[in-house]
Amino acid sequence: GDSVTQMEGPVTLSEEAFLTINCTYTATGYPSLFWYVQYPGEGLQLLLKATKADDKGSNKGFEATYRKETTSFHLEKGSVQVSDSAVYFCALSEKQAGTALIFGKGTTLSVSS
Amino acid sequence: EPEVTQTPSHQVTQMGQEVILRCVPISNHLYFYWYRQILGQKVEFLVSFYNNEISEKSEIFDDQFSVERPDGSNFTLKIRSTKLEDSAMYFCASRPPRTALYGYTFGSGTRLTVV
Repeated sequence: GDSVTQMEGPVTLSEEAFLTINCTYTATGYPSLFWYVQYPGEGLQLLLKATKADDKGSNKGFEATYRKETTSFHLEKGSVQVSDSAVYFCALSEKQAGTALIFGKGTTLSVSS
Repeated sequence: EPEVTQTPSHQVTQMGQEVILRCVPISNHLYFYWYRQILGQKVEFLVSFYNNEISEKSEIFDDQFSVERPDGSNFTLKIRSTKLEDSAMYFCASRPPRTALYGYTFGSGTRLTVV
C-alpha cells in the first residue's frame, strides 16, 4: 500500500539556518503531496501542497518540489525562525475522490535563538 | 476563513465508558474523516465518510467505533467502550467536492484521556 517516509528527528537548528526535511513516498497511483505543520498544543495545519510532477508548493518561506523520478517531496526553508519550531508531517493522498490522507511519522523541528 | 470545529477540546473518561466526539465540518465539504494521534506518534487514519456512509476504514476502526452524521452539520465519532489505549488526540477533517486537488482542513482536535 501507499506510504510516506520522513527523516527521523528531532532536528535542532539555530535561527537563520537552512532547513531540509526529507520525505519520500510509495504510491500505487499519482498522488497529491502535502506538508502539514503542528505547532505545540495545536492541530494540523496545511503548510503547502503539490499535485503533479515538478510542481513547487510554497508558503511562509517554506518550499517543496514534487519529484516523481525520485518519489520525493523534501521540505526546505532558507532561514528558519524560532517560531518555526513545530512538528512537520509529510503526507500523500491518491487523487480518487475521498481517499484517506496518509501521513509520515512527523519530524520535530526545534529552532533556538 | 472557514474552520472545522471540534468539541470538546479535552475529554476525560473512565475505561469502559462510551464517548462521543463531535465535529462540525466546513459547510460545502462532502468528505469527512477521523484521524487519531497517540501522544508522540504518527497521525493515523481511522475512517472516511461520504454520502452518509463509510467509504473507507482502517484496521484500527473496529466494532467499538462508529460514525454518524445525525443532521446536516455535525459529524460524530463514538467509542462504545473505551480502553486505556484509546487515549489520543482525535482529529476531524473535511475536504471540498473537488477532492483530487485540495488538502484537508483539520479541526484543532479533541484530546481523549481514558483513565
